[in-house]
Amino acid sequence: AQSVTQLGSHVSVSEGALVLLRCNYSSSVPPYLFWYVQYPNQGLQLLLKYTSAATLVKGINGFEAEFKKSETSFHLTKPSAHMSDAAEYFCAVSDRGGGFKTIFGAGTRLFVKA
Amino acid sequence: ETGVTQSPTHLIKTRGQQVTLRCSSQSGHNTVSWYQQALGQGPQFIFQYYREEENGRGNFPPRFSGLQFPNYSSELNVNALELDDSALYLCASSTYTGTYEQYFGPGTRLTVT
Repeated sequence: AQSVTQLGSHVSVSEGALVLLRCNYSSSVPPYLFWYVQYPNQGLQLLLKYTSAATLVKGINGFEAEFKKSETSFHLTKPSAHMSDAAEYFCAVSDRGGGFKTIFGAGTRLFVKA
Repeated sequence: ETGVTQSPTHLIKTRGQQVTLRCSSQSGHNTVSWYQQALGQGPQFIFQYYREEENGRGNFPPRFSGLQFPNYSSELNVNALELDDSALYLCASSTYTGTYEQYFGPGTRLTVT
């Protein structure tokens, strides 16, 4: 069975500081991995995805994530936080594409301090 | 290109009632997935529909059912509502193969009293 663990339900950074949101996954087959962002009272927006191509994946809004099979991790980073990055972030795993039985983590709330 | 839309935005129902939520897929997408997101939690996969057939189901009881129509729009029906059904219900559309991406609607906030 697949699962996702996001370490830290809340992360607080200063504007301009590095953002690091942690995600570890469990999957019995090569996974497809995703990071989504959710702003208050909105649906989810895809930030980036890993689908067995390059292990370093670049997404929108300056975010990127690195797939590390040996560590079963897919951590999300951004070099310099902006106030507009404050939101809820979800890591997700699927064993195939098209949203099939996608499993989401519990989410990490990112706070950005001025 | 029209994105994923959901209706209604908010809904209040009484325990024991039935509810129908609606979703219109993004243009060109033939697959719809439904998720339940309880407050403070990540979305949980309810089921997926492809070509009007249920194509996979998460750990939800049979009182959660769905339909997909020829135009790929979809409905989520929940019978015998319970207080724990209060949540944000998200619909996501995608193609069955290829891009691996889901596009989410804004959700329907269901409150059961």
